[in-house]
Amino acid sequence: KNQVEQSPQSLIILEGKNCTLQCNYTVSPFSNLRWYKQDTGRGPVSLTIMTFSENTKSNGRYTATLDADTKQSSLHITASQLSDSASYICVVSGGNRDDKIIFGKGTRLHILP
Amino acid sequence: SQTIHQWPATLVQPVGSPLSLECTVEGTSNPNLYWYRQAAGRGLQLLFYSVGIGQISSEVPQNLSASRPQDRQFILSSKKLLLSDSGFYLCAGDRLNSPLHFGNGTRLTVT
Repeated sequence: KNQVEQSPQSLIILEGKNCTLQCNYTVSPFSNLRWYKQDTGRGPVSLTIMTFSENTKSNGRYTATLDADTKQSSLHITASQLSDSASYICVVSGGNRDDKIIFGKGTRLHILP
Repeated sequence: SQTIHQWPATLVQPVGSPLSLECTVEGTSNPNLYWYRQAAGRGLQLLFYSVGIGQISSEVPQNLSASRPQDRQFILSSKKLLLSDSGFYLCAGDRLNSPLHFGNGTRLTVT
């Protein structure tokens, strides 16, 4: 069964610190993996998208990594800011034409001043 | 770039009343369109998706229906709302190998 598991479920860190969020998936064949940021009450916004051949992709202070062999991805946030408080959702697309997009349940990140 | 417009942002409706949520797409043509419902701590659940005008696929049996009368218009409807229909509804759109873009969502409360 295609699944996307994210950890931790929630995370609290102090402003200025770094953190890493994890995403493990069982989707096969694999097409691409995306990380989204979702502010409370808003729609998710795309941070990064990686295909099978990409190992890392950055977007400002956000850096995503992908290990397609172990089916793991991480999102690293550097020098966190209060505005980083949000849910971060890992999304995996299967490689077959009729495959659906599989969403993780997200990690809720709280940045404290 | 692609923009998803969704309205209203919040909606309070009594049980048994009809529902119509509208989603329109700007900046691209012939997108794939999706309706998702998000429950707290449960991730995003795909309700309907559409690959073209008049083409709707339903993912879960429910009290809701969807229609796509125009290429860039996607509508979520119900004839009679249930309490269990309360939730956060998101419209999204994409094209092949492009990021999935979301609207800002509609918070529906059925009372």
